[in-house]
Amino acid sequence: DIQMTQSPSTLSASVGDRVTITCRASQSISSWLAWYQQKPGKAPRLLIYKTSILESGVPSTFSGSGSGTEFTLTISSLQPDDFATYYCQEYNTYLLTFGPGTTVNVK
Amino acid sequence: QVQLVQSGAEVKKPGSSVKVSCKASGGTFSTYAINWVRQAPGQGLVWMGGIIPRFGRANYAQKFQGRVTITADESTSTAYMELSSLRFEDTAVYFCARINYRSGAAAGDGFDIWGQGTMVTVSS
Repeated sequence: DIQMTQSPSTLSASVGDRVTITCRASQSISSWLAWYQQKPGKAPRLLIYKTSILESGVPSTFSGSGSGTEFTLTISSLQPDDFATYYCQEYNTYLLTFGPGTTVNVK
Repeated sequence: QVQLVQSGAEVKKPGSSVKVSCKASGGTFSTYAINWVRQAPGQGLVWMGGIIPRFGRANYAQKFQGRVTITADESTSTAYMELSSLRFEDTAVYFCARINYRSGAAAGDGFDIWGQGTMVTVSS
């Protein structure tokens, strides 16, 4: 099975900061990676699929990059609504493994 | 726009089973994959399995093989997840979520629509 890791597990930042989260796969997943944002008590929200394609309605301050085993989610200018937990998820196989999550909190 | 509406919270005893429903409205049901993801309190997301209603065959995460059954009823646009032999550690929020197929990936392009979640508490 593919294992997914994320770093950091927690990140403290301020509004306006540029934030980068890294996701690594234990083997190549090509570009089959999605990113989600989740706020407490809510269902996750799809932000990005196929590594870099923004889901409709997602602000352009979010971007994704990478391929193979290493991927990044970047928030170019953190907004108050962006404090949340972010998960990556591979879909190279039918096993759809999530990363453990990165929590972005207020510095 | 498709919406997924799940059944309400459940409290179950250890060793029993729970069946959670997920009803789709506002769009096509049969051709998308409906999957189930759970989240224990304070923990991350874990994929459990999914089904494409038109084809009727489900696939499951190994962790839940033998304990989970995912089905779909096209006539009512409803998917179901039944988890048996419940343990305390099955206490979690269970989400249904739709996979959208857009870029050619065999497994689809992530979960674009989610249900509101169903809290299942296993307690003696």
